[in-house]
Amino acid sequence: QVQLQESGPGLVKPSQTLSLTCTVSGGSISSNTYYWSWIRQPAGKGLEWIGRFYGAGRTNYNPSLKSRVTISLDTSKNQFSLRLTSVTAADTAMYYCARDGSLKWFDPWGQGILVTVSS
Amino acid sequence: EILLTQSPGTLSLSPGERATLSCRASQSVSSYLAWYQHKPGQAPRLLIYGASSRATGIPDRFSGSGSGTDFTLTISRLEPEDFAVYYCQQYGSSPDTFGGGTKVEI
Repeated sequence: QVQLQESGPGLVKPSQTLSLTCTVSGGSISSNTYYWSWIRQPAGKGLEWIGRFYGAGRTNYNPSLKSRVTISLDTSKNQFSLRLTSVTAADTAMYYCARDGSLKWFDPWGQGILVTVSS
Repeated sequence: EILLTQSPGTLSLSPGERATLSCRASQSVSSYLAWYQHKPGQAPRLLIYGASSRATGIPDRFSGSGSGTDFTLTISRLEPEDFAVYYCQQYGSSPDTFGGGTKVEI
């Protein structure tokens, strides 16, 4: 059974870069069948898909965040990562990693990690 | 991007009652729609994919229907563990988008 777990700093200063890692257990991140996504949810607001890594080094980002986002894979560690640059208070949210696929739903999800942007 | 509107925002019901949740898309998503259950402090849980297919291990009291722009999640008889927030999500058109959620409360 595949499980995902987010990790990273819970506090980031404004204008700095948010960096999170998702560790995948119970399955290989190298599988071409699956894609690897990040999703976030600001407090009291809805879910927002951030982007995904898939195939042979391909990425797909939400246009609203595209200029600031990078998602990458580390197959040696069975992890994928999120980098979000130039953060502001609006980036304060619970961040989730999840597995999806071509025209597929998100399953499973990680438990989420709260990231606060504050000086 | 495709906007998903969920209604009602909150549903106040009792255990044993039937819950009917709605999700409307701003344009057709065919059957590329999923439903998730989310409880505080837990990972969101996939309930339904392809608008009407139950995910592995999901009880048959949960059912999904609809296609195109109008979708429904029905919980036939609410159990105490079903009180949570439910989200719909479309994955037919990028970017993937989610509805605002329906809270099912006692």
